[in-house]
Parts: sequence; C-alpha cells; structure tokens
Amino acid sequence: AQSVTQLDSQVPVFEEAPVELRCNYSSSVSVYLFWYVQYPNQGLQLLLKYLSGSTLVKGINGFEAEFNKSQTSFHLRKPSVHISDTAEYFCAVSEDGYQLIWGAGTKLIIKP
Amino acid sequence: SQTIHQWPATLVQPVGSPLSLECTVEGTSNPNLYWYRQAAGRGLQLLFYSVGIGQISSEVPQNLSASRPQDRQFILSSKKLLLSDSGFYLCAWTPPGRTEAFFGQGTRLTVV
Repeated sequence: AQSVTQLDSQVPVFEEAPVELRCNYSSSVSVYLFWYVQYPNQGLQLLLKYLSGSTLVKGINGFEAEFNKSQTSFHLRKPSVHISDTAEYFCAVSEDGYQLIWGAGTKLIIKP
Repeated sequence: SQTIHQWPATLVQPVGSPLSLECTVEGTSNPNLYWYRQAAGRGLQLLFYSVGIGQISSEVPQNLSASRPQDRQFILSSKKLLLSDSGFYLCAWTPPGRTEAFFGQGTRLTVV
C-alpha cells in the first residue's frame, strides 16, 4: 500500500450512539487490513482483521468493519458506543505480509 | 501463550546520554520484531524491523540503532539522545508468515 488515510483525526460522539471511523488506502494489489485500538499510555491491541473471504469482519468489543475493494476502504463501525471505547483507533494495511502501513489514527471521544 | 515484555515503561534522560530499551517475546520462535515511535498527535513510524538474529532493517535515518542478539530479544539504542528523540516507543512482533502484530505496553521517553 502506498498510503493509508484516516480522514478524521477526532470523532466526538454521544454515548450509546453509533459511530463510524473511516479508513481509505491506496494500493494496486491485494492487501491485508487491520484495525487496532490504543488506550492512553498503552500499546496497541488488535480489534479486527481482514485477510480474505467475507468482506464484513467482526472484532472484539462489538466493533465490525467492512472491506470495500472498489472504494479501497475499510471503515470501522459500532452500533452503540460506551465510555470505555474512548481511545485512539489505527487503521493499517499490508501488501507483503511483513510490513504494516499505518494511518495517522482517529481519536474517538465519547460524550456523556 | 505468547507474551511480549517491554521496559522500562517510562524514562527521563538528559540530552546527550545513551539509551537502551529492551523488548523480549515469549512463547514463540523466530518472530519478526519491530520498533515503532509514536510522536504526540501522530501515527506510528516504523523505525526498525528484524526477521532474524542479527538481521536489522532501518526504515528512516536517525539517531537510533537496533540490535537482535537473541531470537526473541530486540534492543533499541542510542549513543547520544537528542530532544527530538522524545516520544512513545513501541515494540511489536508478528508470527512468521503472518502480518497481525502484537504490541508491548510501550516506553514513554522524555529527553530533557
């Protein structure tokens, strides 16, 4: 992948509302796609991944993402967010299975 | 199960002093190992990766170096720290032939 774009640096949303975090990538070959979550002052934790098969991928903590090849997107969604979802979310793409290309991250801010 | 240990969690060092951050992985063999830096408000920057003992690839020219003296040990070093070396350093590993990365808890380095 040449690049990964996370269009929003911050996304504020009310508790129990749905959320979508956007991720687009540029690549001319098949890719592997990932979403990671980072809580404050911690390492990153894998939320979900798309390697092949069904384009709708379900992950931990109620998150899911849909791979859209024609739009080169892998948007992350959750139908109802909680305060505990406050974190930074990173989209990543790999072409070769060795290196990950990272987006700049999106901070999810939950408003009570 | 596999685990990754990274230490120290926080570090305050004066400009010009040396640096040594250590990362070890347990429960796996021949992992691919990575050092990332995360500057405030930015995404992840890959600094070094290693596919085997003594094999280090550098992604960006900088004041840092990495070594892999043992299969599951990855060390990030500097002879003389700069103010610009401040940041959050993350060690990660991937299983051989796979792309999903597992991260350590990170080291917050402040150069003063």
